[in-house]
Amino acid sequence: QKEVEQDPGPLSVPEGAIVSLNCTYSNSAFQYFMWYRQYSRKGPELLMYTYSSGNKEDGRFTAQVDKSSKYISLFIRDSQPSDSATYLCAMSAPGGGADGLTFGKGTHLIIQP
Amino acid sequence: DGGITQSPKYLFRKEGQNVTLSCEQNLNHDAMYWYRQDPGQGLRLIYYSQIVNDFQKGDIAEGYSVSREKKESFPLTVTSAQKNPTAFYLCASSIPGPTDREKLFFGSGTQLSVL
Repeated sequence: QKEVEQDPGPLSVPEGAIVSLNCTYSNSAFQYFMWYRQYSRKGPELLMYTYSSGNKEDGRFTAQVDKSSKYISLFIRDSQPSDSATYLCAMSAPGGGADGLTFGKGTHLIIQP
Repeated sequence: DGGITQSPKYLFRKEGQNVTLSCEQNLNHDAMYWYRQDPGQGLRLIYYSQIVNDFQKGDIAEGYSVSREKKESFPLTVTSAQKNPTAFYLCASSIPGPTDREKLFFGSGTQLSVL
């Protein structure tokens, strides 16, 4: 069983829809959870950073962590064509630092105008 | 503007050739990283360096080498021993200190292809 599972997509939704992106994981030691957005042939950029369980909101983006289910989500409200990108989840255990990060394979999201 | 600069954007390697990918940062970050990204794959860690003159192997270090002679620079050499080098290579750095060390800042990447 892979440590982090993420559906590669593509996920295609109409403009204005609410998007839900998800990752599941198996390592119960993971405490730090991140979402990165990557445009084609560009480097990923950090969108959301969450420690332990709960929700975090930033503008149209909401990150949710459910440690009991080992499941994290990223919601995008009022989706725009500019949100079309690959979204990578990443997570690590305490003390691991960035060298201990485990990435999902990424979900390719397409927002149709 | 502070950031990470990778060059070149595209690189071609001939059989048996070593090639070097450049990574420079002006963020004053201590830690730097090299990742490899293949289509449909997650990011895989090649090498990382927490301080100058020190570096550690990541999950897929075979066929690669690095140096860290300056804080700002962390070049990656893809040697002829790497038999499948075609991939998108990403350099990153992270914030120093006990908190937020997991947050990575990435360069724009180098696409390496084999001729």
